[in-house]
Amino acid sequence: KNQVEQSPQSLIILEGKNCTLQCNYTVSPFSNLRWYKQDTGRGPVSLTIMTFSENTKSNGRYTATLDADTKQSSLHITASQLSDSASYICVVSPISGGYNKLIFGAGTRLAVHP
Amino acid sequence: GAVVSQHPSWVICKSGTSVKIECRSLDFQATTMFWYRQFPKQSLMLMATSNEGSKATYEQGVEKDKFLINHASLTLSTLTVTSAHPEDSSFYICSAAGTSGSLEQYFGPGTRLTVT
Repeated sequence: KNQVEQSPQSLIILEGKNCTLQCNYTVSPFSNLRWYKQDTGRGPVSLTIMTFSENTKSNGRYTATLDADTKQSSLHITASQLSDSASYICVVSPISGGYNKLIFGAGTRLAVHP
Repeated sequence: GAVVSQHPSWVICKSGTSVKIECRSLDFQATTMFWYRQFPKQSLMLMATSNEGSKATYEQGVEKDKFLINHASLTLSTLTVTSAHPEDSSFYICSAAGTSGSLEQYFGPGTRLTVT
């Protein structure tokens, strides 16, 4: 069973609409949880990093939330743009293995249509 | 933000040959660099962690004699795929972590390897 599971697997929305992506994890204890955006054929780009004690973190139109009790995180995208079409990856860093050890979710493929 | 480059961006090689991929941190010193592999529609899988001046630490199931990693300086790490086979065809991504215990990990743009 994956330690980081994301839903939905894929999502299609219209330009200008909002959407929320989900991440459930079992990694415990963990140091931090990250959201990355990965364009096709490119490396991931960091959107947010939250430590275990943070509940929310924003980066422009992206807002991530974290509930450490339920082991859930979400990424909310506001007023979507065509350039938001990409894979969004939830990543958890466990305390064991060093601060840079990352466990990746499979990602949610988002397609924004005009 | 910090920039990590990879070279080449794509490479096609014949089965049995070796391929070297470079990963450079352009504007910061990276004490630790990571090499990942990503198959189509799958997540990134960590292959190995390398610290400047020391031997790389490989993840379980990754052959260290097949995937040679060298981290000779604080700005350069190389991954050499030796005796490549078609099943080694994948997207290889490196990342670099800066000094001072920063949480951030900066990813390169990736290298697409196709072995024919």
